Amino acid sequence: DAGITQSPRHKVTETGTPVTLRCHQTENHRYMYWYRQDPGHGLRLIHYSYGVKDTDKGEVSDGYSVSRSKTEDFLLTLESATSSQTSVYFCAISSLAGGSKETQYFGPGTRLLVL
Amino acid sequence: AQTVTQSQPEMSVQEAETVTLSCTYDTSESDYYLFWYKQPPSRQMILVIRQEAYKQQNATENRFSVNFQKAAKSFSLKISDSQLGDAAMYFCAYRSITGNQFYFGTGTSLTVIP
Repeated sequence: DAGITQSPRHKVTETGTPVTLRCHQTENHRYMYWYRQDPGHGLRLIHYSYGVKDTDKGEVSDGYSVSRSKTEDFLLTLESATSSQTSVYFCAISSLAGGSKETQYFGPGTRLLVL
Repeated sequence: AQTVTQSQPEMSVQEAETVTLSCTYDTSESDYYLFWYKQPPSRQMILVIRQEAYKQQNATENRFSVNFQKAAKSFSLKISDSQLGDAAMYFCAYRSITGNQFYFGTGTSLTVIP
């Protein structure tokens, strides 16, 4: 299994509170992603990173920011949590090496409940 | 943005039987990658199989195989000799050759009946 961890695994917070989720990898992969998973929507990309300090927005980036100061860590911050951000958040990594090495590995997920 | 459609929210199969999960996608690109991921109740996403669009041969991985129809933009997953452990949510995904983003379908929940 690819070395990807997410912390925390579960979190309950209140509306208006900032929240930071952490993704840590030991694979030295260049690309990292944050997704949210909601019933009826599947996985939707929030932000992704293609290198240290290089990030870009995904499909549902409003209300979220990210930072990547080291190859191994990718942080997702909910600046002011809202109930609509209650979801399961997945981090993923990819080497995008192409060919037989092409794939994306996912972390175990973080369940976030915003009250 | 590319779109990926899984039109079967739920499917069921008898243990030891074969089941096919459907996926279609919309793209104007000629080269890309397609994936099937499995998400069991543990919620961890697991890669099942991958297909490169420039390869005409359908990918296979043990009991899992795909039927890739490029002209029809169809990418179905066939699970043979279904096992109880195959019960999970299955997601189809697309990535272009040049892009960094993966696009996922909404998933198909597969139940395996003993």
